[in-house]
Amino acid sequence: DVKVTQSSRYLVKRTGEKVFLECVQDMDHENMFWYRQDPGLGLRLIYFSYDVKMKEKGDIPEGYSVSREKKERFSLILESASTNQTSMYLCASSTSQGVGYGYTFGSGTRLTVV
Amino acid sequence: GENVEQHPSTLSVQEGDSAVIKCTYSDSASNYFPWYKQELGKRPQLIIDIRSNVGEKKDQRIAVTLNKTAKHFSLHITETQPEDSAVYFCAGGYDYKLSFGAGTTVTVRA
Repeated sequence: DVKVTQSSRYLVKRTGEKVFLECVQDMDHENMFWYRQDPGLGLRLIYFSYDVKMKEKGDIPEGYSVSREKKERFSLILESASTNQTSMYLCASSTSQGVGYGYTFGSGTRLTVV
Repeated sequence: GENVEQHPSTLSVQEGDSAVIKCTYSDSASNYFPWYKQELGKRPQLIIDIRSNVGEKKDQRIAVTLNKTAKHFSLHITETQPEDSAVYFCAGGYDYKLSFGAGTTVTVRA
């Protein structure tokens, strides 16, 4: 019963390419997030969105942009991929309703930029 | 913004012993503190959470404590088992935005 789906598990891209990472959730969650996970650095927030067409920068937005045209879909865009963007990318969603807003994560996309 | 620090970065315990992971946070407005477990090659999954109006919460072998005055919270795993081996992340925040610690790799030795 996968609830947050990331389109690719593994990706290999060339330096300078424009890269799209897609995330879809089926829980009708308002909030969606993109994190990158690197050894020893934990999870760092790139961008998040609390509503359709709304977006806010996280802690490390440089080199990334996002798009949220529909509630269930949140896309991360690497405008011009660089080798320092090689990482594991995790999408997550949460709801602002009720008393909890724990995240549900996708399985991740391991991106390698060569 | 919120800054969450997590210690230790690695933890090795004998099966059956207890494991403790500690986190501190910087923003006094933070009111929600979840813990995630990430097994090798899998997604992080929520294992327990606590709110700032609660000092302690327990779920079977897992417990979390929160000291809001000192701005720190801890995860306690008792009677550790091999399946407890994983990376554990603490997080803190308010509204809908969470900041994560760097993670603790827990290894349970048989």
